[in-house]
Amino acid sequence: GNSVTQMEGPVTLSEEAFLTINCTYTATGYPSLFWYVQYPGEGLQLLLKATKADDKGSNKGFEATYRKETTSFHLEKGSVQVSDSAVYFCALSPSNDYKLSFGAGTTVTVRA
Amino acid sequence: EAGVAQSPRYKIIEKRQSVAFWCNPISGHATLYWYQQILGQGPKLLIQFQNNGVVDDSQLPKDRFSAERLKGVDSTLKIQPAKLEDSAVYLCASSLDWGSGNTIYFGEGSWLTVV
Repeated sequence: GNSVTQMEGPVTLSEEAFLTINCTYTATGYPSLFWYVQYPGEGLQLLLKATKADDKGSNKGFEATYRKETTSFHLEKGSVQVSDSAVYFCALSPSNDYKLSFGAGTTVTVRA
Repeated sequence: EAGVAQSPRYKIIEKRQSVAFWCNPISGHATLYWYQQILGQGPKLLIQFQNNGVVDDSQLPKDRFSAERLKGVDSTLKIQPAKLEDSAVYLCASSLDWGSGNTIYFGEGSWLTVV
């Protein structure tokens, strides 16, 4: 079946530090891959997505590259801010559907 | 543009009681989803509607959970009777259509505590 495994948290960083959250997936075919973010007290928001191998999704300074050879979609940001404190979810949808399968989420706290 | 609206935001009930959650999707969105998010886990799809028809309810515990979208717009998710393990955030989401390439938009969630 389809599944997503992401780096366990919590992760605590200082402002301007480099952030990486690892995400690997198991799926048949060519799924679409997503990162969603949940800020405190808010709903899930789509952060970025990639729909085919070697695609790079980017938004708000975050990037993730769809690596089919390593079945990975790691999230990176070069310089985090306090406002990036949130829970980050990696997710996939199969190529023939749009049902999202989520990872367990990684809590990121950025300190000033 | 208004987002996905959910109510109530918070609910505390005793086990064996019933509860209902309401969702109003983004205007014009044909596809509506209900997800369950247990603390420390990612959201899990409970049911997916396309207009007023059910596309997928394979993970809905049908002995106690029910959902409807009678006019193809608003939706209600009901739990009766509730169990302790139903304590979770219930997320409603919607998308313009069903299929790859359609972004799913989530509401803020309804937090349920069963005591």
